[in-house]
Amino acid sequence: QVQLVQSGSELRKPGASVKVSCRASGYSFSSYSMNWVRQAPGQGLEWMGWINTKTGNPTYAQGFTGRFVFSLDTSVSTAYLEISSLKAEDTAIYYCARDSALSKVTIIEYWGQGTLVTVSS
Amino acid sequence: DIQMTQSPSSLSASVGDRVTITCRATQDIRDNLNWYQQKPGRAPKLLIYDVSNLDTGVPSRFSGSGSGTDFTVTISSLQPEDIATYYCQQYENLPLTFGGGTKVEMK
Repeated sequence: QVQLVQSGSELRKPGASVKVSCRASGYSFSSYSMNWVRQAPGQGLEWMGWINTKTGNPTYAQGFTGRFVFSLDTSVSTAYLEISSLKAEDTAIYYCARDSALSKVTIIEYWGQGTLVTVSS
Repeated sequence: DIQMTQSPSSLSASVGDRVTITCRATQDIRDNLNWYQQKPGRAPKLLIYDVSNLDTGVPSRFSGSGSGTDFTVTISSLQPEDIATYYCQQYENLPLTFGGGTKVEMK
């Protein structure tokens, strides 16, 4: 069965960086695109962007350019989200979420369990 | 960007009640509309895709309808396990956008 297992909660100070991992299993990793979705505490879902797992080409939503980087290690079927120069407002749960398509994003079929990133001094 | 507006933002209903949640898009999104269910403390889960197609394992008491800019998801007979927040999401254009969510509580 399809599983997306994310790395554990992180606590960082403002200005630091964090890298969240998302290990996929149960399907061909490079056959489906991967989305990243943010959920601030008590808030709704916000789409951050996606990465084509075949080409490695990332697409970022407005507001997630510059400090946010999507990457892959296809040898271990893992997607990564790295956030640099962390701010308090980056405190949120970050989800990786597999799409039903490869070269576009449409239906988010499977979600990781989420990784809580807390930014606090 | 296409904005998605859900109503109501929350509702309280009894077991067995019929519950309807609406989602309105700021432009025609054809049938490019999905619904997700998020239970407290859990990741979201796909509920309905392409307006009216239930994902695998979703009970038949859930249904979706609509086209263009106005969509609904209906729970025909609310069950305790349906307590959750429901989100619509469009994929007509990037960025993907979600509605603000509708929190369903038990009366």
